[in-house]
Amino acid sequence: ETGVTQSPTHLIKTRGQQVTLRCSSQSGHNTVSWYQQALGQGPQFIFQYYREEENGRGNFPPRFSGLQFPNYSSELNVNALELDDSALYLCASSWGGTGRPGELFFGEGSRLTVL
Amino acid sequence: TQLLEQSPQFLSIQEGENLTVYCNSSSVFSSLQWYRQEPGEGPVLLVTVVTGGEVKKLKRLTFQFGDARKDSSLHITAAQPGDTGLYLCAGVNSNYQLIWGAGTKLIIKP
Repeated sequence: ETGVTQSPTHLIKTRGQQVTLRCSSQSGHNTVSWYQQALGQGPQFIFQYYREEENGRGNFPPRFSGLQFPNYSSELNVNALELDDSALYLCASSWGGTGRPGELFFGEGSRLTVL
Repeated sequence: TQLLEQSPQFLSIQEGENLTVYCNSSSVFSSLQWYRQEPGEGPVLLVTVVTGGEVKKLKRLTFQFGDARKDSSLHITAAQPGDTGLYLCAGVNSNYQLIWGAGTKLIIKP
């Protein structure tokens, strides 16, 4: 148990649809980062939020967007879904100052299937 | 583009054997982390190595950071079925972002 919860755990969408994934960070953590993990691959960094501001982004198109709320929970939104977006989406929370990563605590992930 | 190459990608060995997993890059990292991931779960941090040449031990697991901070290894002694899982290395770059390897899927047969 890491104290990081993600919802939904599994979902199925069709091409062109939009999806919102949610993450509740561990108590006391102010930084949330999102990762995409395709089957058989390591996680790929999508973006990171520190105190409600995006402070780092990986090589993902603008249709991947996010939010962090005052309670430090977070959302990942993906518009115009493509088949290649099918993956496990992981959220990790940490205590970070100026974006420096502390130990990451991962949720169990949201498994997205795009048909 | 910074890359971390992990090898081997897949390893299946008998209980009691020793093994080493490698993580290599042409880039320098400020630190490097090793994670273990079970099916249906997120990665769990095993260790962080920070100093070039650093060696850390976690029971039967030995982690080493290369002198130049570009590579790392994980050695498991007398592997047990409970060691089965996906082992991931991740380097922390100058922007404090994690660069991940593709993982080593390890199966220990009883």
